[in-house]
Amino acid sequence: GAVVSQHPSWVICKSGTSVKIECRSLDFQATTMFWYRQFPKQSLMLMATSNEGSKATYEQGVEKDKFLINHASLTLSTLTVTSAHPEDSSFYICSARGSWNRAFFGQGTRLTVV
Amino acid sequence: SQELEQSPQSLIVQEGKNLTINCTSSKTLYGLYWYKQKYGEGLIFLMMLQKGGEEKSHEKITAKLDEKKQQSSLHITASQPSHAGIYLCGAGSLQGAQKLVFGQGTRLTINP
Repeated sequence: GAVVSQHPSWVICKSGTSVKIECRSLDFQATTMFWYRQFPKQSLMLMATSNEGSKATYEQGVEKDKFLINHASLTLSTLTVTSAHPEDSSFYICSARGSWNRAFFGQGTRLTVV
Repeated sequence: SQELEQSPQSLIVQEGKNLTINCTSSKTLYGLYWYKQKYGEGLIFLMMLQKGGEEKSHEKITAKLDEKKQQSSLHITASQPSHAGIYLCGAGSLQGAQKLVFGQGTRLTINP
């Protein structure tokens, strides 16, 4: 199957700093990318949907100024957590979908804000 | 908005036993996906169902989508320790939909 690479797999940052997470589709063009957040022992919560070259669509309750999403090319989307706080600590997963109706997931990024 | 309800939320079975996980949608499903996850890791794609009445199998796992396309079940036969994990159903809300949302997950534990 298609491969989606997410980087970094884990990151620890200081409170107040910003962190960027990358999501790359390695062998296909991702017209749509999804960003999810997962709390311990809970399911994936959709944060936003982005289409290449256009602004991301954020789910209700997700701060767009806090979680900046850029989908500048068909193989790369980035999620930047700005001015991170301990409550932003979580597991973030990206998903990419190409011309077929199936989404492929990255390995996830564990963010810890100290 | 599309909502997916999974049941049970947690399941403990004896190794070798069969089990079923259900996924019910509040709206018609256009593409239903089953994934497996070990917490803190990425998702492993299991199966995708699109047509009403469709059934797919892979090894000891069978998934079905009902005729009305609002409910899916995942059945594991002769469960093994390797089946342990979190099972998630996911779906788009409209045909070719942009959004892919998930149920709350079912945590499966296999006791030896």
